[in-house]
Amino acid sequence: QKEVEQDPGPLSVPEGAIVSLNCTYSNSAFQYFMWYRQYSRKGPELLMYTYSSGNKEDGRFTAQVDKSSKYISLFIRDSQPSDSATYLCAMSAMDSSYKLIFGSGTRLLVRP
Amino acid sequence: GAVVSQHPSWVICKSGTSVKIECRSLDFQATTMFWYRQFPKQSLMLMATSNEGSKATYEQGVEKDKFLINHASLTLSTLTVTSAHPEDSSFYICSPSGGAADTQYFGPGTRLTVL
Repeated sequence: QKEVEQDPGPLSVPEGAIVSLNCTYSNSAFQYFMWYRQYSRKGPELLMYTYSSGNKEDGRFTAQVDKSSKYISLFIRDSQPSDSATYLCAMSAMDSSYKLIFGSGTRLLVRP
Repeated sequence: GAVVSQHPSWVICKSGTSVKIECRSLDFQATTMFWYRQFPKQSLMLMATSNEGSKATYEQGVEKDKFLINHASLTLSTLTVTSAHPEDSSFYICSPSGGAADTQYFGPGTRLTVL
């Protein structure tokens, strides 16, 4: 079993839809949770960072962490064609020199 | 976020040759450098971690004699793929870190194709 599980998609939605992306994990030591966006043949770009449980909102993006269920989510409101990319969740534990463990990534396509 | 550059962005080489990839953090000092490899439609896999001036620590299954990492300064790290083979063809991404979970940045990646 992988430490971090993420549905690879692809996920296709119409422009303006609310997108929900999710990851589950097995290591209870994870405390730092990140969401990255990666366009084709580019490096990942940090979208959201959350420490421990709770919600965090930044513009159209909301990240949620539920440590009791070992489940994290990223919501994208009013999705745009420019949001079409691969979204990677990543997490790390404080005692691991902040090594990131990545999910496999979910491909998102927002149709105009 | 920080500005990170990688050079070259794309390289094609013959089997058996060595390829050096440079990673520069242009506007902050990276105390730690992570190197990742990403195969098509797969996620990033950590290859090694290096701290400035120290030897790199390699993940299980990564050959340290094949993937030479140098982190000589806080703004420059290099990855050399020695005696490259077609199975080494991949997307290599550096990730300089300022020492905290939210100060890890990623380079634009280098696409290596070994013929």
